[in-house]
Amino acid sequence: QSALTQPASVSGSPGQSITFSCTGTSSDVGGYDYVSWYQQHQGKAPKLMIHSVSNRPSGVSDRFSGSKSGNTASLTISGLQAEDEADYYCSAYSDSSTLVVFGTGTKVTVL
Amino acid sequence: QVHLVESGGGAVRPGGSLRLSCAASGFAFSDFPMHWVRQAPGKGLEWVAFIRFDGVNTFYADSVRGRFTISRDNSKNTLYLQMNSLRPDDTSLYYCAKDLGGGYPQFDSWGQGTLVAVSS
Repeated sequence: QSALTQPASVSGSPGQSITFSCTGTSSDVGGYDYVSWYQQHQGKAPKLMIHSVSNRPSGVSDRFSGSKSGNTASLTISGLQAEDEADYYCSAYSDSSTLVVFGTGTKVTVL
Repeated sequence: QVHLVESGGGAVRPGGSLRLSCAASGFAFSDFPMHWVRQAPGKGLEWVAFIRFDGVNTFYADSVRGRFTISRDNSKNTLYLQMNSLRPDDTSLYYCAKDLGGGYPQFDSWGQGTLVAVSS
C-alpha cells in the first residue's frame, strides 16, 4: 500500500489562503469519507485538525477547512498566520491490506 | 482532558525485542479503539497497529505483521506493543493514538512518543 501523495512544500504570506492536496485511490480517499488532517510542529506530536473530510474538532480554528473531490482531498488554511508553519499530514481509511494510509506530508512555510 | 504517556523505548540490537506501554487517562479507555503510529527520524507518519475497544480485533501494517503484537489491559487503562525480531528500519518514535470512535480509524489524541533505536 503506497502512501497518499502530498506536495512536499507550500508557502504563503501572512493573511493569504493556501490549499494543498492529498491524492489517493478509490480504495482509500476516493472510496470513503474518512480522511483526516494532522498538524505537526517541529519536535511535537501530531494534532488532529480535520476529520471525516471536513469536520473540525472543538478548539481548532475555523481558518482550517477540508474538502474532497474524487480521489483527492484538500486542506485550506485561510488568513495564514506564523503559528500555522508546520508539517501537515493527511490520512485515510483503506480497504486494502493496511487499515490506514498516511500522506507523504506537506511542509507549510509562512513567508 | 485526554492524556497518553508512552514508555518502554530504548536501544536494542537487530533481532531483539521491546515492549512499549501507553498509559491512558482522562477518558473512558475501555470505550475506544487505540492505535500505534510511528515516525522514523526526519520522515513521515506510518500507521503500525490497531486494537478494538475490547481487544477482540487487531490489525497490523504489512511491515510489522507477524513481528509486532498490540494488546490492551482495560483494567489498567494501558495499551501495549510487543515488538519482536526488530530490524534497523523499525527505528522510530512510536506514538500511541486514541481513535476518534466513529467506526473508522481517525486519531484525535496523541502521546508524546517513545523512541526505539535498532542498531548493531
